[in-house]
Amino acid sequence: EVQLVQSGAEEKKPGDSLRISCKGSGYTFGNYWIAWVRQMPGKGLEWMGIIFPGDSDSDTRYSPSFQGQVTISADKSISTAYLQWSSLKASDTAMYYCARSGGSFPDYWGQGTLVTVSS
Amino acid sequence: QPVLTQSSSASASLGSSVKLTCTLNSGHTSYIIAWHQQQPGKAPRYLMKLEASGSYNRGSGVPDRFSGSSSGADRYLTISNLQSEDEADYYCETWDSNNHVFGSGTKVTVL
Repeated sequence: EVQLVQSGAEEKKPGDSLRISCKGSGYTFGNYWIAWVRQMPGKGLEWMGIIFPGDSDSDTRYSPSFQGQVTISADKSISTAYLQWSSLKASDTAMYYCARSGGSFPDYWGQGTLVTVSS
Repeated sequence: QPVLTQSSSASASLGSSVKLTCTLNSGHTSYIIAWHQQQPGKAPRYLMKLEASGSYNRGSGVPDRFSGSSSGADRYLTISNLQSEDEADYYCETWDSNNHVFGSGTKVTVL
């Protein structure tokens, strides 16, 4: 059974750094892309970027809206992808989902990680 | 870049059918899309991939009550024999040049 299990909810202050994770199981992690999607409170889905963990250099592509705002990475040896921020803002408060993609659309989603940024 | 337009809400009675529309903007009317379902308080779930021809492939475990069709720039999701658990937000998605875009979502209410 394909599963994507994300790390738990986080409460941070503005300016803090943060890395959240997404661990894949039930499939060959290095053969599929992992995407990250943001959902702000009461809003729709926004594509952030995607990574292919199977490459030696992990091909990574960002949505123009998120380029430079976050960093996506992966460790194929432990079947885990990451989304990180170097300096959080209150506007980063949202639910973040990872999702597996075979190259076109996400076909399995993680359960989501709620990030709350407040002073 | 592609833009997807969805109506904000739809409603239908238990056991009936509802047809949702996702419209592609000019210059992108041949694009393949995906439909995702998001039940209240839950993560999205992939429903299907839908081509301009109307051919579609449901995701693993998706009931055959969910079907897709296409006409020109419009991509449709039809839910037959509507159940209470179908009350959810439905998003369409497409991609271009390695960037993906979502529609704004349609909230389906089961009466």
